[in-house]
Amino acid sequence: SQQGEEDPQALSIQEGENATMNCSYKTSINNLQWYRQNSGRGLVHLILIRSNEREKHSGRLRVTLDTSKKSSSLLITASRAADTASYFCATDAGGNTGKLIFGQGTTLQVKP
Amino acid sequence: KAGVTQTPRYLIKTRGQQVTLSCSPISGHRSVSWYQQTPGQGLQFLFEYFSETQRNKGNFPGRFSGRQFSNSRSEMNVSTLELGDSALYLCASTATGPGVSEAFFGQGTRLTVV
Repeated sequence: SQQGEEDPQALSIQEGENATMNCSYKTSINNLQWYRQNSGRGLVHLILIRSNEREKHSGRLRVTLDTSKKSSSLLITASRAADTASYFCATDAGGNTGKLIFGQGTTLQVKP
Repeated sequence: KAGVTQTPRYLIKTRGQQVTLSCSPISGHRSVSWYQQTPGQGLQFLFEYFSETQRNKGNFPGRFSGRQFSNSRSEMNVSTLELGDSALYLCASTATGPGVSEAFFGQGTRLTVV
């Protein structure tokens, strides 16, 4: 079964608003990564946060990690129509297993 | 620096045939992982190669196989194709391993089995 569960499954907002997506996982991790996917294309790496980090920023992206709750959130501020995509969190399996475990993803629609 | 390159981008095959997909990782990256993405199952791990050795394998039948060459390029092969093998196949490249550093993905190969 999937390690990650993402919430919400779908999100629709207006341009300029903020979008928040949440991810929960089940086992201990070394790090958690967020990806964006546009319409069935490849995954674009957004940000990696390590298990000993609590918050990380990259441009309009802010990621938090709460290992005690086994959850992470991705905040996109001042969203743009170009942010319309599916967003996935991915965790390692807690060791160097060479495997990423993905959530089902959140589909974000940003209306112009 | 060039990204991860997957070829071909699209493939249409008939049931029972076999197919080979190729992945060239980012220069200097030694780990290549493969994933299958379908609407029903999402993104699922197939296998990972590091320095020409398969380190890990997902829960897929033996019809799915792969290999890695000395230049880190990787291929995956699916034999005796089934309709359910229709999917987007993605490969990821990392410097040392997906659990250790960022994994960068290619554009994928869209396989349709008819």
